Amino acid sequence: QKEVEQNSGPLSVPEGAIASLNCTYSDRVSQSFFWYRQYSGKSPELIMSIYSNGDKEDGRFTAQLNKASQYVSLLIRDSQPSDSATYLCAVNIRSRMKTSYDKVIFGPGTSLSVIP
Amino acid sequence: GAVVSQHPSRVICKSGTSVKIECRSLDFQATTMFWYRQFPKQSLMLMATSNEGSKATYEQGVEKDKFLINHASLTLSTLTVTSAHPEDSSFYICSAEGVYNEQFFGPGTRLTVL
Repeated sequence: QKEVEQNSGPLSVPEGAIASLNCTYSDRVSQSFFWYRQYSGKSPELIMSIYSNGDKEDGRFTAQLNKASQYVSLLIRDSQPSDSATYLCAVNIRSRMKTSYDKVIFGPGTSLSVIP
Repeated sequence: GAVVSQHPSRVICKSGTSVKIECRSLDFQATTMFWYRQFPKQSLMLMATSNEGSKATYEQGVEKDKFLINHASLTLSTLTVTSAHPEDSSFYICSAEGVYNEQFFGPGTRLTVL
């Protein structure tokens, strides 16, 4: 099982709809979870972080975390064409080696297309 | 806040030359920085973790003698691609780690080796 998994998409939603992006992870003791947005040809941009179970809202974005199910999601309300991008889920993976550091693992990303 | 710059944004070089890419955290100090490579339509690939004042930790399969990383201060990390070849052509992106493990990315450097 890969450490962080996402559906590659593409996910297409009409303008104004809710886009739902999902991510699962394998490390039960992960504590930090992030969503990044990456436009084509650009570097990733942090849009949400979440550290405890439940929902966290920031504008049109809501991150949802369920540690028992090892699942984190991102909802985008009132989707706009400018939201069309690849969304990367990232999870802090605890190191099991004394000589190595904890590190953040990125999922492969879900491509979102918002249709006008 | 949390601005990371990268220089140059684009570089074209001849095969066999070395290229240095700079990554700077402009408004915060970063003990840890990361270097990624991304090929077109593919995922981010972590190359190495750079820690200020110590040797970088390279991911499996990344040649440390080819990709030299120096993190001499809390605001600057450099990646030098030595003896570059066409297969090294890629989008190189650095990031700096914040206090909650979040990463702030630089704008990336597009390297083309002829």
